[in-house]
Amino acid sequence: EPEVTQTPSHQVTQMGQEVILRCVPISNHLYFYWYRQILGQKVEFLVSFYNNEISEKSEIFDDQFSVERPDGSNFTLKIRSTKLEDSAMYFCASTGFHNEQFFGPGTRLTVL
Amino acid sequence: GEDVEQSLFLSVREGDSSVINCTYTDSSSTYLYWYKQEPGAGLQLLTYIFSNMDMKQDQRLTVLLNKKDKHLSLRIADTQTGDSAIYFCAEIPSGNTGKLIFGQGTTLQVKP
Repeated sequence: EPEVTQTPSHQVTQMGQEVILRCVPISNHLYFYWYRQILGQKVEFLVSFYNNEISEKSEIFDDQFSVERPDGSNFTLKIRSTKLEDSAMYFCASTGFHNEQFFGPGTRLTVL
Repeated sequence: GEDVEQSLFLSVREGDSSVINCTYTDSSSTYLYWYKQEPGAGLQLLTYIFSNMDMKQDQRLTVLLNKKDKHLSLRIADTQTGDSAIYFCAEIPSGNTGKLIFGQGTTLQVKP
């Protein structure tokens, strides 16, 4: 069964460093998303992406964040200068028919 | 505004039915979802219901939707210890960019 994959599973970085989180959505899906979940809190929407551009972004998704689909299969989330409060699980998702959103296993980002 | 609320904790005995409740605010929501998250894992899509339906059954899972009261419930029949997890209710609000708004999750504890 097709699935969304994410790498790495865990990323540890120093405050101020850039990180790139990678996702491979399900191959025939057209809509892609990033969410994050700070420990013990709700899953929060960050950004949606369709037709090679951002279709919606949340207040969290400021100019430190960017997304890219560089090669037709990968979907990346870049954080330019990480802050302590960026520590969270980051989930990638992609949408199929009937708006079924399938999630990847997540990347745990730890900013020290 | 967009908001989804759930009770935080439910404890049942193995073999009993579990009912997890959710309320939402956006009456224009088109789809409503239930996701399951096991410890350290991603979000698994369990089931979803289109807003013009009142009920959907899928094996041990029954989803009930009361649009008038903006209330969604998930009933798990014959609950097993493997059902122990966090259950998230989510909606796609009006505007339909596909972003999901999640509740804070209900932790289901199944006692043997």
